[in-house]
Amino acid sequence: DGGITQSPKYLFRKEGQNVTLSCEQNLNHDAMYWYRQDPGQGLRLIYYSQIVNDFQKGDIAEGYSVSREKKESFPLTVTSAQKNPTAFYLCASSIQHRETQYFGPGTRLLVL
Amino acid sequence: KNEVEQSPQNLTAQEGEFITINCSYSVGISALHWLQQHPGGGIVSLFMLSSGKKKHGRLIATINIQEKHSSLHITASHPRDSAVYICAVRFDNDMRFGAGTRLTVKP
Repeated sequence: DGGITQSPKYLFRKEGQNVTLSCEQNLNHDAMYWYRQDPGQGLRLIYYSQIVNDFQKGDIAEGYSVSREKKESFPLTVTSAQKNPTAFYLCASSIQHRETQYFGPGTRLLVL
Repeated sequence: KNEVEQSPQNLTAQEGEFITINCSYSVGISALHWLQQHPGGGIVSLFMLSSGKKKHGRLIATINIQEKHSSLHITASHPRDSAVYICAVRFDNDMRFGAGTRLTVKP
């Protein structure tokens, strides 16, 4: 079955710790995206990648980093510089940038 | 100020009722999406619209480009329709998302 997977479903971070959220797709999509969702707010774009080895900052990139070494994988690292990381993180992909996006199941990040 | 406004924020209905969720946006767009987010968090794309009206089963989506407004209608609502419905608009290179409408349909 084709789709997008995110892991883990829940992730706990200690103060000062970097954590990495996984996003994998087997849809052969070129573009991939990371969003953050907070209660009462719309999804906000953190980073996106239109093609392998290329990525662009979104609206709220500070405190986050990404890599796109393989077409199917777009991991997001939440660094210790992100002071308010508690949120629901959604990964998405599309055939090409600006096409319909398909979303993963999300990862909920909590700070201990 | 969010460029995409949805109303209502929360909506409770009885099974069988006709549901309307509204979305207004403030900029010219190339497309509008309606998304459904299930209680577990996963998001499914329902419609993509650039003009007119689309129908899929009990769901109907309309858009009025001149008025910068879209509506999502659910006919004969059912408890399994309970979810958060999100309006998203694409303009230039960006997508902007509404905060969502939480729908609860009671049996």
